[in-house]
Amino acid sequence: AQKVTQAQTEISVVEKEDVTLDCVYETRDTTYYLFWYKQPPSGELVFLIRRNSFDEQNEISGRYSWNFQKSTSSFNFTITASQVVDSAVYFCALSNSGYSTLTFGKGTMLLVSP
Amino acid sequence: DSGVTQTPKHLITATGQRVTLRCSPRSGDLSVYWYQQSLDQGLQFLIHYYNGEERAKGNILERFSAQQFPDLHSELNLSSLELGDSALYFCASSVGGGDGTDTQYFGPGTRLTVL
Repeated sequence: AQKVTQAQTEISVVEKEDVTLDCVYETRDTTYYLFWYKQPPSGELVFLIRRNSFDEQNEISGRYSWNFQKSTSSFNFTITASQVVDSAVYFCALSNSGYSTLTFGKGTMLLVSP
Repeated sequence: DSGVTQTPKHLITATGQRVTLRCSPRSGDLSVYWYQQSLDQGLQFLIHYYNGEERAKGNILERFSAQQFPDLHSELNLSSLELGDSALYFCASSVGGGDGTDTQYFGPGTRLTVL
């Protein structure tokens, strides 16, 4: 069975603060894929990043960065210099090779105040 | 905009009724997935279709059914609706057959309210 845990239910920060959203996953497979999605107040789910289990290189995209560590089964997401527009629920998700199911964590609500 | 479209955006109906949710995938995508998002269950996978054929089933109730048509759009049918079926229903699409390697792109969702 596979599982994704996002222990942080809600995080509140002030604009320009850096914030890290934690994601811990469980899977028995050696080949798997990790994702982050953003759900703004408008409700849609927006794809942010996909990582496969063989690529542990960290990724940076503008103010967003992701830290993948297989040793701790974690795929954490950092927003640098947060902005009010970053306020959303962020979901971490996992899929295994050969299966179409995305297993989502419960999500972390990020509130960025001015 | 992901390119996945869903209609209607909102749906309000009564218990015992039947509704149909519609999804059009991104151009070129052959797979369509349905997910349910509720406060207590979170985001749950319901069913996956690839090029018209059912590929995988998740926690989908027997009262729910889906199909994918030759033009690749999909419909999710919910019948004998109960209050607990109130949720946000998402459709997602991807290029391939859903072997886990694809990225799924989500539509804006249909919010179903059962009164």
